[in-house]
Amino acid sequence: DMQMTQSPSSLSASVGDRVTITCRASQVIGNSLAWYQQKPGEVPNLLIYAASTLQSGVPSRFSGSGSGTDFTLTISSLQPEDVATYYCQKYNSSPWTFGQGTKVEV
Amino acid sequence: QVHLVESGGGVVQPGRSLRLSCAASGFTLSRHGMHWVRQAPGKGLEWVAVTWYDGSNKYYADSVKGRFTVSRDNSKNTLYLQMDSLRVEDTAVYYCVREVKYPGYFDLWGRGTLVTVSS
Repeated sequence: DMQMTQSPSSLSASVGDRVTITCRASQVIGNSLAWYQQKPGEVPNLLIYAASTLQSGVPSRFSGSGSGTDFTLTISSLQPEDVATYYCQKYNSSPWTFGQGTKVEV
Repeated sequence: QVHLVESGGGVVQPGRSLRLSCAASGFTLSRHGMHWVRQAPGKGLEWVAVTWYDGSNKYYADSVKGRFTVSRDNSKNTLYLQMDSLRVEDTAVYYCVREVKYPGYFDLWGRGTLVTVSS
């Protein structure tokens, strides 16, 4: 089965820190990788698609990189409002598998 | 305003059925693939099913294959999820989600509807 593995599962950092979350696909997916942010009690929100393209309206402190099987989401300067769980997702074909999530605390 | 609004959730006994609906507004449903994604209490996101923009193709997660059926009525701008033979492990918030283009990422999510399977 296709799997998306995120690491770490959770992290705690200080305001202003650089935060990096990784996502590894069990098969090559090109750049068909999206990142979503889900704040507590809210609906998931698209941050990045095509591995590195920032969705309109998303702050520029978020960035994505990678291709093939290894991907990274970076928050360049962590803000209090970034407390959330972050999910990667592959979308090159069925199934549209999500990673297990990374919970970010400040 | 562009919206997706799910309905039909509730409490149901194991083995019974439930049908969820998702009403789309502010955009033309027939131009988009549409998905269902669920999230069990305190857990992560799990993709459930997709129907292509015209309903010609449908795919399901292994966990629901043979029990759930996704359908759509583009004339009513509505997406459906028929859930049969429900199990306790199907308990989750079910989200209706719009795909940008096939194969694509998700750019619009509904607020979700809670399904609780319990005896």
